[in-house]
Amino acid sequence: KNEVEQSPQNLTAQEGEFITINCSYSVGISALHWLQQHPGGGIVSLFMLSSGKKKHGRLIATINIQEKHSSLHITASHPRDSAVYICAVRSRNQFYFGTGTSLTVIP
Amino acid sequence: KAGVTQTPRYLIKTRGQQVTLSCSPISGHRSVSWYQQTPGQGLQFLFEYFSETQRNKGNFPGRFSGRQFSNSRSEMNVSTLELGDSALYLCASSTNSGRNEQYFGPGTRLTVT
Repeated sequence: KNEVEQSPQNLTAQEGEFITINCSYSVGISALHWLQQHPGGGIVSLFMLSSGKKKHGRLIATINIQEKHSSLHITASHPRDSAVYICAVRSRNQFYFGTGTSLTVIP
Repeated sequence: KAGVTQTPRYLIKTRGQQVTLSCSPISGHRSVSWYQQTPGQGLQFLFEYFSETQRNKGNFPGRFSGRQFSNSRSEMNVSTLELGDSALYLCASSTNSGRNEQYFGPGTRLTVT
């Protein structure tokens, strides 16, 4: 059983569309991270959340601790947003990762 | 500030050999975490060091070990390499722990033949 589940696994969108990626987890957490990985491997941390909502530019991340669910939203998507988005949680002394959502934004 | 650096970037080893990978964190960061990424298993947590002490450890065999030096640089070692150890090994640094934002290095791609 995976401690972190993401959906969808793959997502194709037209440029300008609003995108939502979902993350559900089954363990108690102290923090949830959203990561972005471009082809070639480099990973960038987008958000770290323990409650509520955060916004950076066109990206918005929310978390509902009671429902053990987080969402990553991308408004006005752009081809440069094409990447794999990974949800990760810190639970006690462990990190658990989702399998990632591969996003392709078509011009 | 310079980012997290990892050396080497690419490595090819033979089954049975051992390998040491290095990670230099962002200046001032005292926590270094290591992760393995494979196509089949995705990202998995290896271990976390803080102030030269291993703070947490993932579910990997004892062939995987690490250490952290007084300057916060960290190394991980894999002994008796197996084909399944072929992966991208990533390190990340933060000011304290996973409760703080993590900054990832570019990774070391290890191929075991």
